[in-house]
Amino acid sequence: DAGVTQSPTHLIKTRGQQVTLRCSPKSGHDTVSWYQQALGQGPQFIFQYYEEEERQRGNFPDRFSGHQFPNYSSELNVNALLLGDSALYLCASSLWSGGSSYEQYFGPGTRLTVT
Amino acid sequence: LAKTTQPISMDSYEGQEVNITCSHNNIATNDYITWYQQFPSQGPRFIIQGYKTKVTNEVASLFIPADRKSSTLSLPRVSLSDTAVYYCLVGEWSGGFKTIFGAGTRLFVKA
Repeated sequence: DAGVTQSPTHLIKTRGQQVTLRCSPKSGHDTVSWYQQALGQGPQFIFQYYEEEERQRGNFPDRFSGHQFPNYSSELNVNALLLGDSALYLCASSLWSGGSSYEQYFGPGTRLTVT
Repeated sequence: LAKTTQPISMDSYEGQEVNITCSHNNIATNDYITWYQQFPSQGPRFIIQGYKTKVTNEVASLFIPADRKSSTLSLPRVSLSDTAVYYCLVGEWSGGFKTIFGAGTRLFVKA
């Protein structure tokens, strides 16, 4: 049973460029959430997708956008990259449980470096 | 949003029991309390989740008092491989689940 997978593992981009990160959820999961984790900090919630719609969003600018596909996989897009966007980007999958207990499975992350 | 407060760091020795307490004074009625473990350069890993009283699984126990304003993660007989960051979080449901991670507790297990 494959867990959460993310690609690429590492990425180096130049300030002002655009980047797309990809995530495949754990088998059987229908909800994908994205997090940004700066060095030495806890993960910061970016947004959550279910049924191909953004359901929740954290305090991130519109430069951060996403998409969920019919097979539940997801993409995170970041436009106009800033140096401060350098971080580990984590994808987590879960079941849309409607407000009850909530368990997420995280992928290994994509390390983005903006120069 | 229910914010959480944890100690920044803790030290322990192999074989000891470690208890990490988390404060969440503004927890909502429907919120569950979840703990994650994270090793460097890896994604967090689910440890345990509870709503009230005590929950136990093969790796940890979670104690939640009646007022639910705090919770304690108990790791029995820690080993060097338990050195990691431990996060306590409370999920907020509002047409989707928004989870807020704090800074976590860095546990260092010594030989």
